[in-house]
Amino acid sequence: QVQLQESGPGLVKPSETLSLTCAVSGYSISSGYYWGWIRQPPGKGLEWIGSIYHSGSTYYNPSLKSRVTISVDTSKNQFSLKLSSVTAADTAVYYCARFSSGSYGEDYFDYWGQGTLVTVSS
Amino acid sequence: SSELTQDPAVSVALGQTVRITCQGDSLRSYYASWYQQKPGQAPVLVIYGKNNRPSGIPDRFSGSSSGNTASLTITGAQAEDEADYYCNSRDSSGNSWVFGGGTKLTVL
Repeated sequence: QVQLQESGPGLVKPSETLSLTCAVSGYSISSGYYWGWIRQPPGKGLEWIGSIYHSGSTYYNPSLKSRVTISVDTSKNQFSLKLSSVTAADTAVYYCARFSSGSYGEDYFDYWGQGTLVTVSS
Repeated sequence: SSELTQDPAVSVALGQTVRITCQGDSLRSYYASWYQQKPGQAPVLVIYGKNNRPSGIPDRFSGSSSGNTASLTITGAQAEDEADYYCNSRDSSGNSWVFGGGTKLTVL
């Protein structure tokens, strides 16, 4: 059974960098699939942040691209998110998920972490 | 703003059929995936591709697509189906992904 677990600070100050890690168990990241980050502000909808392939190739949400870096560490079987220059608008529950990208755009997030709330406040 | 448009809220009587729609130009080229989210929980994949259900998803959930509209149909809605539902697909560039704004389903 594939399991994902987010970890990182629950409180980040404005203008600083948000850093989260997603530990994967039950599946080796180096075996394939994309791995992604999605966030959800309190009371609002889901927003895709970006995805990374096990080889390191990345796709980012154009609206966040200038502030986002997603990396993968296959030796630790985990991947990470860094979001710079955060503001209160970045306060959200952050989810990591396994992402399958198939032919004809048959894409889906099939396994999700439980999510972690990150609050941006001084 | 989202490139995928969903009705904010839909209601259905217990045991009846409900269709939740997702509209966007990119849906003419790419399939949508659908996610169910209950309060305080992570989203759960319910439909992907042409009409595929992950293991454990009841067969009352089905998907379809026509033109720029993807649909999630629940045939014989149950009380436990009350949740928020989100569609996801690529955007018009094909190199980015976007979620619809979500539909809150109420089972009456």
